[in-house]
Amino acid sequence: KAGVTQTPRYLIKTRGQQVTLSCSPISGHRSVSWYQQTPGQGLQFLFEYFSETQRNKGNFPGRFSGRQFSNSRSEMNVSTLELGDSALYLCASSSSGIDNEQFFGPGTRLTVL
Amino acid sequence: SQQGEEDPQALSIQEGENATMNCSYKTSINNLQWYRQNSGRGLVHLILIRSNEREKHSGRLRVTLDTSKKSSSLLITASRAADTASYFCATPTVKGYSTLTFGKGTMLLVSP
Repeated sequence: KAGVTQTPRYLIKTRGQQVTLSCSPISGHRSVSWYQQTPGQGLQFLFEYFSETQRNKGNFPGRFSGRQFSNSRSEMNVSTLELGDSALYLCASSSSGIDNEQFFGPGTRLTVL
Repeated sequence: SQQGEEDPQALSIQEGENATMNCSYKTSINNLQWYRQNSGRGLVHLILIRSNEREKHSGRLRVTLDTSKKSSSLLITASRAADTASYFCATPTVKGYSTLTFGKGTMLLVSP
């Protein structure tokens, strides 16, 4: 099976802009989770989608949003970008979404100037 | 907030030596997982240990779990230069679900 793919791999934006990141899970996986990784805060959970519904949400401002499509592909959007949003954004998929390992994509490196 | 905290933050050893990393967590868990990350890339799942298990092996990896102490350890035996990476322990953010709360990680450097 193909692994989790994320596009784009690298992105440079300026403050105030918005950005959309995409994640395609492993075929058959219905759960998609997003994480932000920064040197200061480490890996932090953003949100999880399961069967097109947001099931869990981390402690991030409303500028961070996401959605999941019927084919389980997911997008996350960050509006009004701030310098502190510069990070590696990781997407992970799992099958049932319960007590299972997560399979991570390579990440999207976002730089906000 | 971080659920797991790894110790040490960094570890430098020679090829062939064993590497031990420890993780402590705060709340009750269904399982604990260990992941590896090579320099700024995605995470690779190494092993999952359930709360009713005390020890688990996978190749050169050995994981222990002590739920009474809320701690786990990852042992890599006969380390290789290719094991150089950051290692993270992770626990379910919400009990019964797969989303994870990660520790800050241990950076392992294995020198030839």
